[in-house]
Amino acid sequence: QSALTQPPSASGSPGQSVTISCTGTSSDVGSYNYVSWYQQHPGKAPKLMISEVTKRPSGVPDRFSGSKSGNTASLTVSGLQAEDEADYYCSSYAGSNNWVFGGGTKLTVL
Amino acid sequence: QVQLVESGGGVVQPGRSLRLSCAASGFTFSSYGMHWVRQAPGKGLEWVAIIWFDGSDKYYADSVKGRFTISKDNFRDTLYLEMNSLRAEDTAVYYCARTSGTPGAGILDYWGQGTLVTVSS
Repeated sequence: QSALTQPPSASGSPGQSVTISCTGTSSDVGSYNYVSWYQQHPGKAPKLMISEVTKRPSGVPDRFSGSKSGNTASLTVSGLQAEDEADYYCSSYAGSNNWVFGGGTKLTVL
Repeated sequence: QVQLVESGGGVVQPGRSLRLSCAASGFTFSSYGMHWVRQAPGKGLEWVAIIWFDGSDKYYADSVKGRFTISKDNFRDTLYLEMNSLRAEDTAVYYCARTSGTPGAGILDYWGQGTLVTVSS
């Protein structure tokens, strides 16, 4: 199973919005509304930010939102804050009891 | 609060075995499926394995199938990963994570801090 495709990096100034894409195939992202997004700060464990494409767990700021169109899912961070600087990973169910992650995107707050 | 604490990592020679543990607390362990996810140094996340809440089903990534075995002891509230025939490319931080909702949704809502496995001669 190939990894989902994410841009290696993204950036924005405080207060701006940034969108990170996650491109899969018709066998994973395109077939299931089971896309999650995780935030990982250096040396820390990943943290769930979005599940099932658009659902935000309790405690996650509403500045974080998810969407999907065809084989591509997206994470949008609005009103960027310094603490949003981290690596972000998407994941998707890929069928046949397999899950796949994206390669990760390093978000820099300028 | 939910806590997951991995242990058992270390340096191991190629071809040898290692068993990782993940001690769970703060929730009803027997009601949740669990995943192992790994991260090679400086690399991205890679899904490794999943086990159903009652241990009845287990599934593996192709890269570890036939070499790794996931199990859970619902009496000891502990998840395990038995790793055999280790290779250099298995070097990674191994995370255990709880999955909530339907297993297919892949919602990993709590993660441990990870344990480092280094395969080297």
